[in-house]
Amino acid sequence: AQKITQTQPGMFVQEKEAVTLDCTYDTSDPSYGLFWYKQPSSGEMIFLIYQGSYDQQNATEGRYSLNFQKARKSANLVISASQLGDSAMYFCAIGRIQGAQKLVFGQGTRLTINP
Amino acid sequence: DVKVTQSSRYLVKRTGEKVFLECVQDMDHENMFWYRQDPGLGLRLIYFSYDVKMKEKGDIPEGYSVSREKKERFSLILESASTNQTSMYLCASSLAGGDGNEQFFGPGTRLTVL
Repeated sequence: AQKITQTQPGMFVQEKEAVTLDCTYDTSDPSYGLFWYKQPSSGEMIFLIYQGSYDQQNATEGRYSLNFQKARKSANLVISASQLGDSAMYFCAIGRIQGAQKLVFGQGTRLTINP
Repeated sequence: DVKVTQSSRYLVKRTGEKVFLECVQDMDHENMFWYRQDPGLGLRLIYFSYDVKMKEKGDIPEGYSVSREKKERFSLILESASTNQTSMYLCASSLAGGDGNEQFFGPGTRLTVL
């Protein structure tokens, strides 16, 4: 079984500051992938970034980076230079690399960027 | 552009009614998924399908069934709606094979059961 834990229900950050959203996971699969999604107030789920368990380097996509620490089973999302438009719910998810690739999501973190 | 559409944004039904939620994707994806989203619980997988007419139970299938007669369409059925099925329902699709295949989500259907 796979499990994701996001321990921060809500975070408040000043605009232009960097933000780290925590995500820890548990899995018995030898190969797995970790995903981060953003859900603005409009409701759509937006894919942000992906990291495979075998990737040596941390994934980066623009202002988003994934701080992957396999030994600690953590996959934190780092947003650099936060913007007002970053205010949203953020979900971490884990999935098998092979097979049906269904995802298990965490509870989410609501991020609010203050001007 | 990649697109997943859901038949309704908002739906209000009465207890005991049979409810159909439709999802269509235009990306020729093999995999399709139905989730429900509740505050504090994140997204939970109800059912998924990896091919036409194929389906597998997710983590919370009780009270739901699904149908996938065509590759692009995946329907979620509430056989007899109950108030505890009031929720946001999200459909998603993804390519099969490889890794890092992100799931693309529809806009969601907010279902209220009275």
